[in-house]
Amino acid sequence: DTAVSQTPKYLVTQMGNDKSIKCEQNLGHDTMYWYKQDSKKFLKIMFSYNNKELIINETVPNRFSPKSPDKAHLNLHINSLELGDSAVYFCASSHAGLAGEGADTQYFGPGTRLTVL
Amino acid sequence: KQEVTQIPAALSVPEGENLVLNCSFTDSAIYNLQWFRQDPGKGLTSLLLIQSSQREQTSGRLNASLDKSSGRSTLYIAASQPGDSATYLCAALDSWGKLQFGAGTQVVVTP
Repeated sequence: DTAVSQTPKYLVTQMGNDKSIKCEQNLGHDTMYWYKQDSKKFLKIMFSYNNKELIINETVPNRFSPKSPDKAHLNLHINSLELGDSAVYFCASSHAGLAGEGADTQYFGPGTRLTVL
Repeated sequence: KQEVTQIPAALSVPEGENLVLNCSFTDSAIYNLQWFRQDPGKGLTSLLLIQSSQREQTSGRLNASLDKSSGRSTLYIAASQPGDSATYLCAALDSWGKLQFGAGTQVVVTP
């Protein structure tokens, strides 16, 4: 059984288009995250949701909008795609969403490779 | 702002040798330190998580230590195998609840 799944795995699109990436977790976790891994393989957090509420919002262009319809899903919608948005986007989930002792490990999805032409 | 550094960036060893991967972080106010493995084109797999109150964690051939005061963590992999070839990432959970990643160490174990 897949713990954290993302669709699509690959996404190739033209500049200026709008696209969405979907994420689902079946681990019963209450916190979900989106990360971006750039061409230099550096992973940076973008957003975090706890029980459908946004708790972390890094300095990300407002063309990126996360949406959490329920605890098990966190989708990422990107408007007016730019060349610099090309990257691998990872979704993750964990039990404890707030920092503190006992904060749990994060489980990552397989990633979505976005290529903007 | 937390900065996580991993040295070396790449490492190649013959099968059977022990691996030592280093991770340093600038802000000692962390809640935990996690080690992940990433295979090419794949997601991240959690290897070990060390809570801030712990000094080390072990799982099979893997052992990770944490020294908060000096801002360092080390991942030891005993008796390396070709299947250990991957990129290893360390990440520190900061006081804002953000997981800050290092750039990774790319490991190649040759048969």
